[in-house]
Amino acid sequence: NAGVTQTPKFQVLKTGQSMTLQCAQDMNHNSMYWYRQDPGMGLRLIYYSASEGTTDKGEVPNGYNVSRLNKREFSLRLESAAPSQTSVYFCASSSRQDHTEAFFGQGTRLTVV
Amino acid sequence: GENVEQHPSTLSVQEGDSAVIKCTYSDSASNYFPWYKQELGKGPQLIIDIRSNVGEKKDQRIAVTLNKTAKHFSLHITETQPEDSAVYFCAGGNTGTASKLTFGTGTRLQVTL
Repeated sequence: NAGVTQTPKFQVLKTGQSMTLQCAQDMNHNSMYWYRQDPGMGLRLIYYSASEGTTDKGEVPNGYNVSRLNKREFSLRLESAAPSQTSVYFCASSSRQDHTEAFFGQGTRLTVV
Repeated sequence: GENVEQHPSTLSVQEGDSAVIKCTYSDSASNYFPWYKQELGKGPQLIIDIRSNVGEKKDQRIAVTLNKTAKHFSLHITETQPEDSAVYFCAGGNTGTASKLTFGTGTRLQVTL
């Protein structure tokens, strides 16, 4: 039972490049989330998906797009990376309709130069 | 929106001593307060949570207290062990709306021998 799996673990991009961060969970959870973690700022919600086929903006959605491919997978896309998007990205999932008790993946460290 | 403040930012205790981390929140509508532990290079892991209808919750060596009137909640770790060394995050929010879970900025706890 792997839980929440994120790929890649590390990535360096040049400004203006695009990439997709992948996330998959094997716990049959309905809800999935993408957060970013910056030094001194805690975790901030980028987008979430309460169920397959639905996505909603979180606190900091600008510059990102998401796709809930199926119940297991939730991807985060940066269309034109900017240095301000240098961060550690975490995917999470929850089985609860009230979005509590979230399980996190191990993170993707992204550097944009 | 919600604002969660966390103190202290760093905490060093000797093995066997107790550790207390405090958080305050601003939105009286918040009703869910989880605590996460993040070890180096890993994603946050939920260790305990509390809802606004209770004042205290315990799980072995960890406990969380909530004072709704004062809008603050605390994490208490007793009989600390070296493996408790990590960064701890508090969060507050309203269940049912994922975008309303706000994280504190973290406390780095070091347990020394």
